[in-house]
Amino acid sequence: AQSVTQLGSHVSVSEGALVLLRCNYSSSVPPYLFWYVQYPNQGLQLLLKYTSAATLVKGINGFEAEFKKSETSFHLTKPSAHMSDAAEYFCAVSSTKAAGNKLTFGGGTRVLVKP
Amino acid sequence: KAGVTQTPRYLIKTRGQQVTLSCSPISGHRSVSWYQQTPGQGLQFLFEYFSETQRNKGNFPGRFSGRQFSNSRSEMNVSTLELGDSALYLCASSLGLGPLGNTIYFGEGSWLTVV
Repeated sequence: AQSVTQLGSHVSVSEGALVLLRCNYSSSVPPYLFWYVQYPNQGLQLLLKYTSAATLVKGINGFEAEFKKSETSFHLTKPSAHMSDAAEYFCAVSSTKAAGNKLTFGGGTRVLVKP
Repeated sequence: KAGVTQTPRYLIKTRGQQVTLSCSPISGHRSVSWYQQTPGQGLQFLFEYFSETQRNKGNFPGRFSGRQFSNSRSEMNVSTLELGDSALYLCASSLGLGPLGNTIYFGEGSWLTVV
């Protein structure tokens, strides 16, 4: 079984400050890992994904995440927050063994950006 | 290129009724998945279809069912609605299976309120 834990259901950052969203996973097989963003009243948009190539993954909108197997983590960062980054962020895991598209999501972290 | 289209976007139903939600995937996509999103339980996987076959099913009661048609459009049905079924139902589509070379796109969801 796989699971994802996102530390902190709410994060508040100042505009221009570092954004750091934490994600830890549990998986009995090497995982695929994802970060999605959800803006109010919208669906999910893929920010980036890890599929066992480079451990540092760059995504859209200036976000990146680093896969650390020893820490079972896949934290999301952005060097400088922008007001438009205010949204909810979800970390997700899927199995490298199953051939399907089933994603297991974390509880989400809502980001508030202060001017 | 049109995205994943879900209809209806908003609906209100009464306890005991049934509801059918529709999802039109991105043109050419053969995989469709459904998720339920609630404040309490977060994002939970319902089921996944590929080429009209259910490949995966989440841990939901039998009141939740789905199907996929030959044109890849999908419907999900919830019978005997309960108050706890109030949620945002998200549909996702992708070209193939597995995250390698494959991106999962989400629709904006159908908001279901059960009263």
